[in-house]
Order: sequence, then structure tokens, then C-alpha cells
Amino acid sequence: GNSVTQMEGPVTLSEEAFLTINCTYTATGYPSLFWYVQYPGEGLQLLLKATKADDKGSNKGFEATYRKETTSFHLEKGSVQVSDSAVYFCVNTDKLIFGTGTRLQVFP
Amino acid sequence: DAGITQSPRHKVTETGTPVTLRCHQTENHRYMYWYRQDPGHGLRLIHYSYGVKDTDKGEVSDGYSVSRSKTEDFLLTLESATSSQTSVYFCAISEEPSRGYTFGSGTRLTVV
Repeated sequence: GNSVTQMEGPVTLSEEAFLTINCTYTATGYPSLFWYVQYPGEGLQLLLKATKADDKGSNKGFEATYRKETTSFHLEKGSVQVSDSAVYFCVNTDKLIFGTGTRLQVFP
Repeated sequence: DAGITQSPRHKVTETGTPVTLRCHQTENHRYMYWYRQDPGHGLRLIHYSYGVKDTDKGEVSDGYSVSRSKTEDFLLTLESATSSQTSVYFCAISEEPSRGYTFGSGTRLTVV
């Protein structure tokens, strides 16, 4: 079936550290893939997206590449900030499936 | 978020009572969705709509019904609320799913 699997959190980092949040998917078709972010007490916001294989989505220093061969869409950022502390969701638009979310905590 | 509002923002209700949550959009988007968010489960799709009077079930639709009589409003009804329906409910809209979704600010529902 269709699914999204995210690494479990929380992920705890110091400011300026490198971030990777893993996401793998299964799908019967060729879905678009998204990363959404939820800041404390708020709704979800689209962070970045990729609509086909080998596409790279990027925004606010975050990047993710749609890799069909490994069915992955890992989120990366070279230098995190305290303001990046939030919950991050990987989303497979085939059947509208959200991952369980990964909480990121960044400390000064 | 601009263009999509949920009401109420918070509600406490008793077990067995009916509850209706409202999602209103001003974007004229075709697609509307209701999700619930619970710890350890992420967001799970309850119901969605792909047009006026066109709705379909999601992953966790039992105990919920929806209606969409006009483009701008998508109502979620709990016919007889149970404690397991205590959750945060999010509405989302989309012009075209491959382009992404815009989420409302959420409704926190507590069933006591």
C-alpha cells in the first residue's frame, strides 16, 4: 500500500549543526512529495516540494531531493537555527498520506 | 492562514452530544480536507471533498460525517462525540493537490 515513514524524534541539535530528517515512501503511482512544518501552537505550512523524480525542493535553507531509486525524500539543512525548532512532516500526495512528524529542537 | 478559517478554535463538549466544526475558505479552491492530529499518529485524513456535494472517506472516517453544500464551506460533524475524538482538527484546502495544501489554524476539541 501507500505509506510514508519518517525517522522518529525528537531530534536535538545545537545551533549551526547539520540536520537530516529521513523520509521514505511507497506509492503505486508517481506522487508529489512535500515537507510541511508546524511551529508551536500553529497550523502547518508548506516548507518545500518536489513533483517528480530528481527534483530538488528548497526553501529557507532546507533542501530535499526526490529520489525514485531509493524512494526517499530526506530533509536537510546545513546550519540550523533556534527558530527552526518545530515539527516536520513528510507528505505523499498519493492518497494524501502524512508521516507521523519529527520534532526538531535546536538549542543555542 | 489567510483565506481559510476554522471555527470554533476551541470547544469542550460532553460525550454523546453532536458537534459540528466549520471550515470556511475564500480562495475558491476545489479541494477541501479534514484531518485530525494526535500524538504519535501525525495527521490522519478523516474526509475530503473534491467539489460541491462530492465527498469521500479518508483513513479514519468512522464516527464522522461531512457536508459541502457550497464551495466555500466544508462542515465536519461528530454525530455522537466520544472521548476518542478528543483531538486537534485541521482543515486544509487545495487548488490542485500536486501543488500543495493550505491549512487552517486548527480546532482543539475536548470530549469529556
